[in-house]
Amino acid sequence: EAQVTQNPRYLITVTGKKLTVTCSQNMNHEYMSWYRQDPGLGLRQIYYSMNVEVTDKGDVPEGYKVSRKEKRNFPLILESPSPNQTSLYFCASRQTGGGTYEQYFGPGTRLTVT
Amino acid sequence: GDSVTQMEGPVTLSEEAFLTINCTYTATGYPSLFWYVQYPGEGLQLLLKATKADDKGSNKGFEATYRKETTSFHLEKGSVQVSDSAVYFCALTEGTSYDKVIFGPGTSLSVIP
Repeated sequence: EAQVTQNPRYLITVTGKKLTVTCSQNMNHEYMSWYRQDPGLGLRQIYYSMNVEVTDKGDVPEGYKVSRKEKRNFPLILESPSPNQTSLYFCASRQTGGGTYEQYFGPGTRLTVT
Repeated sequence: GDSVTQMEGPVTLSEEAFLTINCTYTATGYPSLFWYVQYPGEGLQLLLKATKADDKGSNKGFEATYRKETTSFHLEKGSVQVSDSAVYFCALTEGTSYDKVIFGPGTSLSVIP
C-alpha cells in the first residue's frame, strides 16, 4: 500500500530536549516536505527536499532541521524545542517534474512542548 | 508572494444543502490549484485539482473551476452528506518553480442530519 508514515504519532516533551520525528514514504517520490498546522493559520511549510541531499527552507524553518540521506526518509529534528513549537506536524511526498502532482500526507504527529 | 485566501468558517449545513467554499489566490506564473480534505484525526488527502485556466476538477460530487480572470477556485457540492464533515484546504503550487505548495487557512464544515 502506498503510504507516508510518521513516528511518533503523539509526543509530549520538555523545553530543550532534542527530538526527532521520522517520516518515510514507499512511493519512490523525489519530493518530500514538512508542514506544521496551527489553528487559523492552515498548513505552513517548514522545509522541503527535491531529492537526496537537496533540502531548502520553507516559510517557517526557524528552530527546525532536516536531512535527506535516503530517498524514502526525511526526518524532522528539533534541536532545542520550545513551547511555540507545540503543533500538529505533517510530512508529505510527491513526484517532481512539475506542479501538477498531488501530495501524499502522513497521518500527523501531535507535539506538545512544556 | 503567492497566497491563498479562503473563508474560514466554521460552516454548518443541513444534510442535502448546497455547499460553496470560496477560495481566491494571488500568484505569479501559472499555478496549479488544489482542494485537499482533512477528515477528523487524519492527514490531508487530495480532493480535486485543476492545472490550467478553465479546467474543472471534480471528485465525489465536489467541483471547482479554475477561473484565471477572477483568480478563484471555489469548491461546490450540490447536496452534502454528514460524511462530508471535514476541514477543506485550498492550495496552489507556485507557478514558477513548483517547489512550494501554499495552503489556505482551511474551512471547517459540519453537516448535521
